[in-house]
Amino acid sequence: QVQLVQSGAEVKKPGASVKVSCKASGYTFTVYYIHWVRQAPGQGLEWMGWMNSKSGGTKYAQKFQGRVTMTRDTSINTAFMEVSSLTSDDTAVYYCARGGPDFWSGLGIDPWGQGSLVTVSS
Amino acid sequence: DIVMTQSPLSLPVTPGEPASISCRSSQSLLFNNRSNYLDWYLQRPGQPPQLLIYLGSYRASGVPDRFSGSGSGTDFTLKISRVEAEDVGFFYCMQDLETPWTFGQGTKVEIQ
Repeated sequence: QVQLVQSGAEVKKPGASVKVSCKASGYTFTVYYIHWVRQAPGQGLEWMGWMNSKSGGTKYAQKFQGRVTMTRDTSINTAFMEVSSLTSDDTAVYYCARGGPDFWSGLGIDPWGQGSLVTVSS
Repeated sequence: DIVMTQSPLSLPVTPGEPASISCRSSQSLLFNNRSNYLDWYLQRPGQPPQLLIYLGSYRASGVPDRFSGSGSGTDFTLKISRVEAEDVGFFYCMQDLETPWTFGQGTKVEIQ
């Protein structure tokens, strides 16, 4: 079955960077986009951006421009998201999720990974 | 950015009874006069969200037919024909017409 398995929880100090991984299985990785969404404790969902798994092309929400980098390694069917210059406001569960075969498909994002908790604390 | 507004934010429900959630967008989600770029998600306690409805009214694979989506343009509704105990959690609408994709605030559904 289609599955996304993410890396484990991380604790980082303010100013540091974190890199979260998302390993895909059960489908052809390069056919579908990967999206990243985060959820601060007790809060709602916030879309961060998407990555074209085939070309590596990306689109980030303006809020994260310059601080977020989405990459992939097609040899191991894994997507990565790195967030730099962390602050306490970045404490959240970060989810990867599979999108459609293009960013305009309107097919939603599903399934989602189990989430990776990133805690930023001094 | 497109602002998504859900109501109510809290919805006590009774098993076996119907329920509905409204979602309004700050601009039309209708593209090419054909498709509404609006999804619905359910996040059960302690779980990642799961897709229920895409393009306004299409049920995702494996989603029970008690869930239905309707609406067009800026006003959308998710209906549950008969609530079951497993339907508790937060429901979110999301627009995927323009980046940044944006979510509603979420509606907490709980058994009363």
